[in-house]
Amino acid sequence: DQQVKQNSPSLSVQEGRISILNCDYTNSMFDYFLWYKKYPAEGPTFLISISSIKDKNEDGRFTVFLNKSAKHLSLHIVPSQPGDSAVYFCAASPLIQGAQKLVFGQGTRLTINP
Amino acid sequence: DVKVTQSSRYLVKRTGEKVFLECVQDMDHENMFWYRQDPGLGLRLIYFSYDVKMKEKGDIPEGYSVSREKKERFSLILESASTNQTSMYLCASSLYGTGYGHEQYFGPGTRLTVT
Repeated sequence: DQQVKQNSPSLSVQEGRISILNCDYTNSMFDYFLWYKKYPAEGPTFLISISSIKDKNEDGRFTVFLNKSAKHLSLHIVPSQPGDSAVYFCAASPLIQGAQKLVFGQGTRLTINP
Repeated sequence: DVKVTQSSRYLVKRTGEKVFLECVQDMDHENMFWYRQDPGLGLRLIYFSYDVKMKEKGDIPEGYSVSREKKERFSLILESASTNQTSMYLCASSLYGTGYGHEQYFGPGTRLTVT
């Protein structure tokens, strides 16, 4: 049972345009959400996070939006750059101290075309 | 910067062999994790540890065991490797729990092939 779903396995975007990556979750206990970026032959690196007390968090070109009623979050990258080409994973966890586990989605491969 | 290192980048083993994957973190993190990554399935948690000598099963622990004798080191053991354990194995650590400021930091991964 996939509790965190990224329904688009791949996405192709023109350089300079906006990239929007989507993620849906089913567990209403999830209160904290993260995005990770992964290049081939490297481990995932943390990108940005958001808790359920917010509906938006911004860090430079990256913005994460959370729609808790729809159990949906999205990552916006503006403007997209060739170095953004990677696999992006969303992950979710209950925001409880001592809660150990992150549940990851399947990943979306983003390709930025020059 | 947090550094998580894994003993091998690539490993080829035969069916039935006992396999050890080692992970070391240098930031005094409490928690350590082992995941496997497979195409279309994302990252799946095998085991994690929140303290020395403590371990908890993740979502797919079958066929694996772990050992944490020292805080900085977390080992994944495949008791008898099988072809369906061919995968990318990723180790991660976090300061404590999850939440703001407690993101998991990943090592570069070990690509294991079992023939």
